[in-house]
Amino acid sequence: KQEVTQIPAALSVPEGENLVLNCSFTDSAIYNLQWFRQDPGKGLTSLLLIQSSQREQTSGRLNASLDKSSGRSTLYIAASQPGDSATYLCALEGFQKLVFGTGTRLLVSP
Amino acid sequence: NAGVTQTPKFRVLKTGQSMTLLCAQDMNHEYMYWYRQDPGMGLRLIHYSVGEGTTAKGEVPDGYNVSRLKKQNFLLGLESAAPSQTSVYFCASRSGTGENIQYFGAGTRLSVL
Repeated sequence: KQEVTQIPAALSVPEGENLVLNCSFTDSAIYNLQWFRQDPGKGLTSLLLIQSSQREQTSGRLNASLDKSSGRSTLYIAASQPGDSATYLCALEGFQKLVFGTGTRLLVSP
Repeated sequence: NAGVTQTPKFRVLKTGQSMTLLCAQDMNHEYMYWYRQDPGMGLRLIHYSVGEGTTAKGEVPDGYNVSRLKKQNFLLGLESAAPSQTSVYFCASRSGTGENIQYFGAGTRLSVL
């Protein structure tokens, strides 16, 4: 059974800092890995999707990497802003289904 | 540009009551999912569907039933609500071919007293 762990559970940083969120998983037989953002009281929004054959994806200030051999993914956020404050979840896709981590709650203070 | 729409947004039930949550998507997606989100436990898959007329169990299916009579709609039913079903429920959909991104609804907050 796939298990997904995200560390840290919560993170507080001042505006402008670069930061890294971590996601680890136990089963490397995956189709892809996705990073989502969830704002309080809202649904999830997909940020980046890394196919199993890829090593990283970039979108603006976000960069996600995937290392299947070590069972790890990182989400790098450059020059953080208060608007980045949200919960970030990683999810691994196996056959037809996603398995989610419990998320990292990020607070970026002005 | 609706995407995935969930109704209702909030609901309070008494133990033993029944209700149906509706999910509608306008993207012609094949796959649809129902999740529940509880503090400290992340999102857990309840049931899912890979096409009209099909359903399958996820990680936590007990106490729930689903139907996918039309491609655009995925219904989640609680026949006899229990306090343990107090949660936030999310519906999601994705294409099934090509793009694998899941699109989520805004959620339904359910309290069972």
